[in-house]
Amino acid sequence: DGGITQSPKYLFRKEGQNVTLSCEQNLNHDAMYWYRQDPGQGLRLIYYSQIVNDFQKGDIAEGYSVSREKKESFPLTVTSAQKNPTAFYLCASSKSGSWETQYFGPGTRLLVL
Amino acid sequence: AQSVTQLGSHVSVSEGALVLLRCNYSSSVPPYLFWYVQYPNQGLQLLLKYTTGATLVKGINGFEAEFKKSETSFHLTKPSAHMSDAAEYFCAVSLYNFNKFYFGSGTKLNVKP
Repeated sequence: DGGITQSPKYLFRKEGQNVTLSCEQNLNHDAMYWYRQDPGQGLRLIYYSQIVNDFQKGDIAEGYSVSREKKESFPLTVTSAQKNPTAFYLCASSKSGSWETQYFGPGTRLLVL
Repeated sequence: AQSVTQLGSHVSVSEGALVLLRCNYSSSVPPYLFWYVQYPNQGLQLLLKYTTGATLVKGINGFEAEFKKSETSFHLTKPSAHMSDAAEYFCAVSLYNFNKFYFGSGTKLNVKP
C-alpha cells in the first residue's frame, strides 16, 4: 500500500539535544511538508519542499532544519534552538498538478524530558 | 492576511442528528477550501475540497459542504451523525499558493449514543 510513514510515534528530547523526525513516502509525490500542531490550534507550516535538493521555510521555521536528498524522504531536525518543541508533528506530501490535495502521515509526538 | 475561523471548539450531537460544523474565512479573493478530519493520534484525512465549479461539494462518509461567497463561509454538514464520526475536524483555505494553507483551530465533534 502506498502512503506516508513517520517514525518514531513518540520521541523524547533532553535539554540541548537535537532530534530528527523521519518522514518517508512511497506515493511518488514531488512535494513534501512539515507541520506543527499544538492543542487548540490549527496546523502551522514549518518547512516545505517542492523538489529534491530544494526546500523553503514556512511560517515557523526557527529552531528547525530539513533536508531533501531523496524524493521519498524529508527528515525534520528539531534543534536545541527550538525552545518549545513539545508538539505533534505531521508530515504531508502532494503530487505535481494536484498540489492542493495533501496526504498526511500518522504524526510524531515530541515530548521534552 | 488570510484567516480561518471555526466557531465552536467542541460540538456535541446525538447519534442520528444533524451535524453542522462552521467555518468562515477572510480573503480578498475566493480561495480553495478544504475540510479535514483527524482521529486521535493520527494524521489528517481529506474529507472534501472546493476549488471551482459547483458550490455544494460532497465528500467521503456522507459529509458535504457549501461554499457561500457572500457569507465567506464553508460549513460542513452531515444529515445523520454516526458514532464513528467522533473526531476533530479542521477547515483550511489556500490562495492557490503552493505552500500556503491556513488551518482553523479545529472543532472536536462528540457523538452521543
